[in-house]
Amino acid sequence: EVQLVESGGGLVQPGGSLRLSCAASGFTFYNYWMSWVRQAPGKGLEWVANIKQDGGEIFYADSVKGRFTISRDNARNSLFLQMNSLRAEDTAVYYCVRDYPLDIWGQGTMVTVSS
Amino acid sequence: QPVLTQPTSLSASPGASARFTCTLRSGINVATYSIYWYQQRPGSLPRYLLRYKSDSDMQQGSGVPSRFSGSKDASTNAGLLLISGLQSADEADYYCAIWYSSTWVFGGGTKLTVL
Repeated sequence: EVQLVESGGGLVQPGGSLRLSCAASGFTFYNYWMSWVRQAPGKGLEWVANIKQDGGEIFYADSVKGRFTISRDNARNSLFLQMNSLRAEDTAVYYCVRDYPLDIWGQGTMVTVSS
Repeated sequence: QPVLTQPTSLSASPGASARFTCTLRSGINVATYSIYWYQQRPGSLPRYLLRYKSDSDMQQGSGVPSRFSGSKDASTNAGLLLISGLQSADEADYYCAIWYSSTWVFGGGTKLTVL
């Protein structure tokens, strides 16, 4: 079964950091681009970042550029998102998504930025 | 002006058809882009429905019924999602997306009510 399982979400104070992880299974992870997409409570979908199969190309949304870092470990079939300088507006469910065409979505992990 | 504009809501009767529009900002030619469509039922994660660029270049998501189809309207510079034979289970938010300028861009979503 093709599956993505996120972890690492939680409550963090403004200005703090958090590292999200995503474990992939059921498909050849190193063959795919991977993305993070988030959804604030009651709001629409917002793409965050993506990374090429070998990590050689990375793109970010303007809203997170310079604060978030996406990475991957193909040996462990894992995707990561390091989030620094967190703000209240980063509060959202964060989804790990298999890219092109964003066809497989994890269940998501909730990140709450609040004092 | 947003890159992608979707109507906030749409309502239709069971058994009828629904037509969703995703209008690209002026200057972004719909003919150039693949339009991706996603469904998000209440309380669920997003589901990839299909990709449409042209009648000869399209992809149906895994397990997505053929009553979901894509199209374009060049006169309004819009991508279209068509659902025929509406069912109560189709009640959901529907998002369009494109890969634009090295980022994924989502529309704001259209809420479908089946009544």
